[in-house]
Amino acid sequence: AQRVTQPEKLLSVFKGAPVELKCNYSYSGSPELFWYVQYSRQRLQLLLRHISRESIKGFTADLNKGETSFHLKKPFAQEEDSAMYYCALRGGPYSGGGADGLTFGKGTHLIIQP
Amino acid sequence: GAGVSQSPRYKVAKRGQDVALRCDPISGHVSLFWYQQALGQGPEFLTYFQNEAQLDKSGLPSDRFFAERPEGSVSTLKIQRTQQEDSAVYLCASSKRSGLAGYTGELFFGEGSRLTVL
Repeated sequence: AQRVTQPEKLLSVFKGAPVELKCNYSYSGSPELFWYVQYSRQRLQLLLRHISRESIKGFTADLNKGETSFHLKKPFAQEEDSAMYYCALRGGPYSGGGADGLTFGKGTHLIIQP
Repeated sequence: GAGVSQSPRYKVAKRGQDVALRCDPISGHVSLFWYQQALGQGPEFLTYFQNEAQLDKSGLPSDRFFAERPEGSVSTLKIQRTQQEDSAVYLCASSKRSGLAGYTGELFFGEGSRLTVL
């Protein structure tokens, strides 16, 4: 079965410090990995996906198949980055929802202190 | 509206009551998903529709849970004889279908319906 693990429930860093939110996955095929973010009182929304290899709001994430990881990084944290972050995997037909569904981790609550 | 709309936003039910949660997806989105998010947890898959066809209901926790999307647009998640363990936020998401033009893999979520069973 496929699984997404986010080992940190809570991560607190100071403004301007680097941030790394960890995500590890288990899946036997070639997965698609995503990071979703939920700001306070807002809906869950896509932050970035590994296929696009893009930087969104200063965040980047690299898929490391050898370590089965997809850690989210930002060199200088800002207060507006405070939110819940969820790593998600789109695998095959067993991900729940056929080929289109996502399996989510439990999330990391990121707090940026002033 | 431009986004996925869910109602009610909050629902308090007494144990044993039936509840119905509604999801209005983005117009033209073929795929529709229901997720359950318990406190402190990530979203857990419940069921999936492609148009009006329910293609996967493997995540429904019991036969008290039932979902439908009769015309391939609005969907309703019904929970019969609610129990305290059903208390959670129920999220609906929609997307274009993979393989079609404009598909990006992104799921668009509603704000959720928070169910509290007393």
